[in-house]
Amino acid sequence: DIQMTQSPSSLSASVRDRVTITCRASQSISSNLNWYQQKPGKAPNLLIYAASSLQSGVPSRFSGSGSGTDFTLTISNLQPEDSATYYCQQSYSTPPTFGQGTKVEIK
Amino acid sequence: QVQLVESGGGLVKPGGSLRLSCAASGFTFSDHYMSWIRQAPGKGLEWVSYISGHTYTNYADSVKGRFTISRDNAKNSLYLQIDSLRTEDTAVYYCARNTVADILLVDYWGQGTLVTVSS
Repeated sequence: DIQMTQSPSSLSASVRDRVTITCRASQSISSNLNWYQQKPGKAPNLLIYAASSLQSGVPSRFSGSGSGTDFTLTISNLQPEDSATYYCQQSYSTPPTFGQGTKVEIK
Repeated sequence: QVQLVESGGGLVKPGGSLRLSCAASGFTFSDHYMSWIRQAPGKGLEWVSYISGHTYTNYADSVKGRFTISRDNAKNSLYLQIDSLRTEDTAVYYCARNTVADILLVDYWGQGTLVTVSS
């Protein structure tokens, strides 16, 4: 199975800050990397697919980059509603696996 | 609009069984792989199983032999039969739609149904 490792596990940032979350795969997964946002008590919501494609309806302050084994999710101009846990997920091979999550808090 | 509504969760004793259901609407159900993904309390996301538009299935090693995924395309419904439940199966179980272009990518999730395994 492909292991996905996110860093940091949590972070605290201020409104309007730029935030970066990294995700590393245990082997190359090409661009088959997706990002989800999950708010407490809610189902996850797809933000970014195929490493850098923005899902319809997602604000443009979210962006993704990377390929191979190293990926990043960037939130520019952080907003209060971005307080959530973010998960990366590889869709390169079965079983699809998730990172452990990064909790983003607003100062 | 795409809607996925799970039901069937509850409290069950170790060794017991449950059948989860997911009612889908707003899209051509038979065109999509569907998945079950779970989340233990306070923990991350774990893929459980997926099923193709018809009968091809795959399972996480942790549930293989105990869980059975199925679907009824005529009823736009997805199911998960869970047997021989263990305390570590306690989780919110999400029904999820996989995209056509990438069968391991989930683009819609249900609200989840809680399964609690406890004596």
